[in-house]
Amino acid sequence: NAGVTQTPKFRVLKTGQSMTLLCAQDMNHEYMYWYRQDPGMGLRLIHYSVGEGTTAKGEVPDGYNVSRLKKQNFLLGLESAAPSQTSVYFCASTARTATSSYEQYFGPGTRLTVT
Amino acid sequence: GENVEQHPSTLSVQEGDSAVIKCTYSDSASNYFPWYKQELGKRPQLIIDIRSNVGEKKDQRIAVTLNKTAKHFSLHITETQPEDSAVYFCAAGPNTGGFKTIFGAGTRLFVKA
Repeated sequence: NAGVTQTPKFRVLKTGQSMTLLCAQDMNHEYMYWYRQDPGMGLRLIHYSVGEGTTAKGEVPDGYNVSRLKKQNFLLGLESAAPSQTSVYFCASTARTATSSYEQYFGPGTRLTVT
Repeated sequence: GENVEQHPSTLSVQEGDSAVIKCTYSDSASNYFPWYKQELGKRPQLIIDIRSNVGEKKDQRIAVTLNKTAKHFSLHITETQPEDSAVYFCAAGPNTGGFKTIFGAGTRLFVKA
């Protein structure tokens, strides 16, 4: 199993450009999340999904959109990138089971720089 | 909503000593408390978690304690080793799929050989 993978690993954008980050998981997990990680601020939830075709806002959703057309994929879009969106982006997934740990499995991260 | 505060932000210990990281949370409905370790340039990985019906949980050199009345929980690492050097994140949330889990800001632990 590859676990959780993210594409791309690095990206540099100019202000105003758009891009899509792709997250894929092969563990048949129902829940998927997008976080951003900034120095001294931990992991902040951008958007999440509890199943195929559903998405919801997290703590810091402004400037981002998401889609979950297939259970295994969760896409994060930036329509008009801003320097404040320079960050490391992590995708994660969790199984929806009542008895096991709700461990979040993280992808390797995407380092995005907006100039 | 939930707010999680984590202290200290940086911790430096001598190899073999113990390290303690403390977190407080605000939402009394939270009942799931995981801890993640993130090595430099790597992804966060779960090292231990505890649910609110348990006061303490241990796994080899790491242990977590929970005080629901005071709304705080702590990570204890004994006999620290250089490979324990990393950033540690606490988190709190309801006992569901994790989508309302809120993370602390992280503690950077340095273990000096």
